[in-house]
Amino acid sequence: GENVEQHPSTLSVQEGDSAVIKCTYSDSASNYFPWYKQELGKRPQLIIDIRSNVGEKKDQRIAVTLNKTAKHFSLHITETQPEDSAVYFCAASIKTGGFKTIFGAGTRLFVKA
Amino acid sequence: GAVVSQHPSWVICKSGTSVKIECRSLDFQATTMFWYRQFPKQSLMLMATSNEGSKATYEQGVEKDKFLINHASLTLSTLTVTSAHPEDSSFYICSARGLAAQTGELFFGEGSRLTVL
Repeated sequence: GENVEQHPSTLSVQEGDSAVIKCTYSDSASNYFPWYKQELGKRPQLIIDIRSNVGEKKDQRIAVTLNKTAKHFSLHITETQPEDSAVYFCAASIKTGGFKTIFGAGTRLFVKA
Repeated sequence: GAVVSQHPSWVICKSGTSVKIECRSLDFQATTMFWYRQFPKQSLMLMATSNEGSKATYEQGVEKDKFLINHASLTLSTLTVTSAHPEDSSFYICSARGLAAQTGELFFGEGSRLTVL
């Protein structure tokens, strides 16, 4: 089955710096890659996603890149702010089985003011 | 936007009892719902896929007799933890994918924190 690996597990940056989180997936049939942000005790919230037919997508300070050949995708947050501090999960979704979504282990991001 | 509501948000029960968690899609019809389990500071582990009108599909290692899933309508899926034990204590969170969603985007419920004494 699909396996998603995520690095780093913890990331600490200074406010204003950029943060990069990287993920790899194993199943080449995966065709949808969402990123979720989860604050403590709350539900995960979708922040950006990318489909397999696109290499890059940007939404204000957040961007995601996808390399299908290498089966890896990355989240880039620029000009980080303290409110960006949270746990970020990458995920890979496969259409079979009703779009089963497998999550990475998560990255705990700390943005220091 | 799509809203998924989960109830109860937290529950404490004695060992050996059963606990039912409900997951509702409030403003859309969900043909498929997913149940995840999340341990403290860990990832979301997919337990099972709940399909309206048919049996749930369980992930490897998840006991179907332990975690009963019912998806009787397009807006409701339930997870029943039977004969709960302390090791079942966890954060259970459901998610749903709407009929119109083609990409697999998930909408999550608030989660239910189960503590088994």
